[in-house]
Amino acid sequence: EAEVAQSPRYKITEKSQAVAFWCDPISGHATLYWYRQILGQGPELLVQFQDESVVDDSQLPKDRFSAERLKGVDSTLKIQPAELGDSAMYLCASSLGAGTDIQYFGAGTRLSVL
Amino acid sequence: GESVGLHLPTLSVQEGDNSIINCAYSNSASDYFIWYKQESGKGPQFIIDIRSNMDKRQGQRVTVLLNKTVKHLSLQIAATQPGDSAVYFCLPWGGGKLIFGQGTELSVKP
Repeated sequence: EAEVAQSPRYKITEKSQAVAFWCDPISGHATLYWYRQILGQGPELLVQFQDESVVDDSQLPKDRFSAERLKGVDSTLKIQPAELGDSAMYLCASSLGAGTDIQYFGAGTRLSVL
Repeated sequence: GESVGLHLPTLSVQEGDNSIINCAYSNSASDYFIWYKQESGKGPQFIIDIRSNMDKRQGQRVTVLLNKTVKHLSLQIAATQPGDSAVYFCLPWGGGKLIFGQGTELSVKP
């Protein structure tokens, strides 16, 4: 069964350092999402791509976060510099299209900022 | 428009019993509803969905009921098993993006 791949699974960094997360969606899925999930809360959408274009980044803290999906396939989410409050699970999801198409999630990257 | 599902935070059931997870929503324009399950340390997983022209939909061991009059859904899990222990989210959709609320954490007692 096809899966969304994410790496690394765990990342520990010190504040002010740069971190990057990678996501490979299910083959053929045009829409890719990055979510942040703080412990005890539901995932919050950070950015949504349709192919290589950003369609929603309204909740992305653009002073320190950036996301790209250059060839419309895999994607990278970067944080620079990391802050203590960035400690969370970062989840990637993909779907065939947007709207009500089912989103398939990866296992996530657990980030700890010390 | 965007809407979020409102849940009781926790539910504890005995293994083998049926579980009922309730969800309220506020936006009457919501016309599609999705349930996700998230096990500890994993990403959310799609369980079942229902459109507003239906009031019941059944899957494998799960049934979702929709009452549009009072803006309420429930997810019923038959013969609850330890592997059902997870956080369950209902996501109402009426356009725009899907929004995860806090969900209900289901604990299954042996």
